[in-house]
Amino acid sequence: AQSVTQLDSHVSVSEGTPVLLRCNYSSSYSPSLFWYVQHPNKGLQLLLKYTSAATLVKGINGFEAEFKKSETSFHLTKPSAHMSDAAEYFCVVSVLRGAGSYQLTFGKGTKLSVIP
Amino acid sequence: DVKVTQSSRYLVKRTGEKVFLECVQDMDHENMFWYRQDPGLGLRLIYFSYDVKMKEKGDIPEGYSVSREKKERFSLILESASTNQTSMYLCASSRGDRAGASGNTIYFGEGSWLTVV
Repeated sequence: AQSVTQLDSHVSVSEGTPVLLRCNYSSSYSPSLFWYVQHPNKGLQLLLKYTSAATLVKGINGFEAEFKKSETSFHLTKPSAHMSDAAEYFCVVSVLRGAGSYQLTFGKGTKLSVIP
Repeated sequence: DVKVTQSSRYLVKRTGEKVFLECVQDMDHENMFWYRQDPGLGLRLIYFSYDVKMKEKGDIPEGYSVSREKKERFSLILESASTNQTSMYLCASSRGDRAGASGNTIYFGEGSWLTVV
């Protein structure tokens, strides 16, 4: 079984300050991990993913995340928040299940507010 | 760019009506998914298809069925819509190759907002 916990349902930061969105996971197998962003009334867009290569992953729009196996964490960071970063962010764990299919588990989401 | 298109963005249907939500992807992906998204509950998988005419139940299949007659198209069907099916529905697709399959990016459509009255 696998699970994903996004530790904060809502994070509020001032424009220009760092962003930290926390994600912990549990999985019996080697997982792939993703962060997706969803702007209001839109679908989900991939920010970045970890697939057992480099543990520090860089994504779009200045975001990055570090896979820490010992802490079972995959926190998302950005050095300086921009107003356009205000959105909901989802951490996702994926494990291969066989027959070319895999099981995805989504976190419940973290809503990021950016204060001008 | 991969494109996943959900033909209906906003629908209002009456209780008991049959509802079709259509999804088309243009990247020849093997896997297609239907999710439901509700505030506080995140995304929940309704059905998953890994090939034409193949389907698997997700976490909340009750009250839904799906159809995949062509590789690019995956339809979600509400046989008799009920008010508790008012929600945002997201279609997604991904490649299905075995090697590194769990790391394949999932591409999402823009969502279909369904209101059942």
